[in-house]
Order: sequence, then structure tokens, then C-alpha cells
Amino acid sequence: QVQLVQSGAEVKKPGASVKVSCRTSGYTFTSYGVSWVRQAPGQGLEWMGWISAYFDNRKYSQKFQGRVTMTTDTSTSTAYMELRGLRSDDTAVYYCTRDLFSRIFDPWGQGTLVTVSS
Amino acid sequence: QSVLTQPPSVSAAPGQKVTISCSGSNSNIGDNYVSWYQQLPGTAPKLVIQDTDKRPSGIPDRFSGSKSGTSATLDITALQTGDEADYYCGTWDSSLSASVFGTGTKVTVL
Repeated sequence: QVQLVQSGAEVKKPGASVKVSCRTSGYTFTSYGVSWVRQAPGQGLEWMGWISAYFDNRKYSQKFQGRVTMTTDTSTSTAYMELRGLRSDDTAVYYCTRDLFSRIFDPWGQGTLVTVSS
Repeated sequence: QSVLTQPPSVSAAPGQKVTISCSGSNSNIGDNYVSWYQQLPGTAPKLVIQDTDKRPSGIPDRFSGSKSGTSATLDITALQTGDEADYYCGTWDSSLSASVFGTGTKVTVL
């Protein structure tokens, strides 16, 4: 079955960077995009951006432009999201999700908690 | 801040029906398909409706979606305790060139 498995929780200091991985299986990695969505504690879902493994295209939310980089490794069917210049309000659970046409997110990874604290 | 507005909460007794609204604009709901996601406590979101009114495999027909103009609706009939969750609408916004989500609605089974 289709699965997305993310890397473990991270604790970072303000100003640092974090890189979250998302290993996929059960489908042809290059046939779909991967979107990254985050959820701050007690808050709603926030789309961060999208990457296409096939075309090596990416689209970032304006909010994160300049601070986020999304990449893929087709040899391992893994997607990565790196966020730089971390602030306390970046504390959130970060999800990867298989993306079809930028409007159907299914399924989702289990989430990675990133805590930013001094 | 989300461009899609949902009621913070809805509730009903087991076996009853709840309706969740999602209000947007011409650049998002008015111009694109809508998806709905169920997020059970402490878990990742799960797709329950895609392309406005289609159920993915394995989703019971108690869940249905529709759209009219710039608003979308998720109906859950024959409510069960296992339906208690947060529900989010989502779509593409052509003006923002970004995917957007609703503010989220908590469904409580009384």
C-alpha cells in the first residue's frame, strides 16, 4: 500500500535549520508530487509548498519563500524539506503528503514534530 | 490567515446529520475542485472527499460533498462516535498560486 514515512522529532534553537525527510513506497514516486503542510499546536493546516520529482519543479508558498528548500532523491523515493532561520513560531508538526494536481493530498505521512526553543 | 472560512464547531447526536460549510471566493472554491480531510485526535489528516463530491476508496457513503458558487459543503449522515474529529476543506487558489485550507471544524458527537 502507499506509505509515507517521515523522520523523527527534532529540537532546534532559534536561527538554526531543520531538514525533514519523507520516504515513500507503494507507488511510482515520479508520477506524483509531494506537498509539505505544517500544523502549529492547536492550529489549522498550512500549506508550505510542493515539489514534482519528475519535472524537478517546485512551488513555495510566498510565506516561506527564501527560507524553505524542497528536494527529492528519486533513487530512494524520498522527499526532503529544509527550513532555515527557525523561529519559535515555526514550532509545529510538519507533514508530507502525496499530491495530485495540487488539490488532492492522499495519503499523509505520520508527521514530524519540530520544536524551536532556546 | 486562511482564505477559506469554516464554522469552528458543529455537533449532533449519534445517528443524526451534520453539515460543515466552507466559504471562499471566485479564485479558489469558485474556480477549482474541493477536497475534505478528517483529522482524528493526534493523527495525520485523511482524505474523505476529493474533486468536490467523490469519495476515495474505503470512505463510507455517509460522507458526501457538494459545491455551490464560492461555498462547499461536507455532509456526514448517520453520525457515529468515531466521526469525532476536526475536518478541513482544501482547494487551489488561482490568485495566490497556492493550495489553501479552511480554518477547520470540530465535529462533536453528543
